Amino acid sequence: AQKVTQAQTEISVVEKEDVTLDCVYETRDTTYYLFWYKQPPSGELVFLIRRNSFDEQNEISGRYSWNFQKSTSSFNFTITASQVVDSAVYFCALSESSGSARQLTFGSGTQLTVLP
Amino acid sequence: DADVTQTPRNRITKTGKRIMLECSQTKGHDRMYWYRQDPGLGLRLIYYSFDVKDINKGEISDGYSVSRQAQAKFSLSLESAIPNQTALYFCATSAVGQLNTEAFFGQGTRLTVV
Repeated sequence: AQKVTQAQTEISVVEKEDVTLDCVYETRDTTYYLFWYKQPPSGELVFLIRRNSFDEQNEISGRYSWNFQKSTSSFNFTITASQVVDSAVYFCALSESSGSARQLTFGSGTQLTVLP
Repeated sequence: DADVTQTPRNRITKTGKRIMLECSQTKGHDRMYWYRQDPGLGLRLIYYSFDVKDINKGEISDGYSVSRQAQAKFSLSLESAIPNQTALYFCATSAVGQLNTEAFFGQGTRLTVV
């Protein structure tokens, strides 16, 4: 069975600090997909990134970067020079290719608060 | 207009009442899902549907039922609402035929059972 763990329940940083959100996953599949979603205070879920298990290249998108390491089953998310608008709940999710539903299994989320 | 629309956005209902949450999508996706979000638990899958003739239970289907009226519509019903069904509910869609595309979510329905 697949599982996603986000051990950091809440993180607070001061604006312009860098912050890393941790995500550790468990799966028996060799092919799987990892996702990050953002949930701002307004409540909607915003897709940020998808990564497949065969692509371990790190990705950078503006102030956001993702570090995928299969050896440690981790897919961590770093925000550089954080801003107040980054305050949100961030979810990591996993989807196995062998699962007939291809439903997402979510972590419990990390509440990030960026203070001015 | 949103690609995935949920109605109502907020609802307060009494214990024992039947309530239906509706979801419609304009993305043309075959796959639709209902998730429930509770504080500290992330999102958990209630039901999912691959197409109009296919309905499947998810992790926490007890106390819920669904109906896939058309490719674009997927409704979630609480036959007899109870207070621990108070939660934020999300409908989602995803494409089939592509390798694990991301799911697209509606804006959520905040349900309170009193």
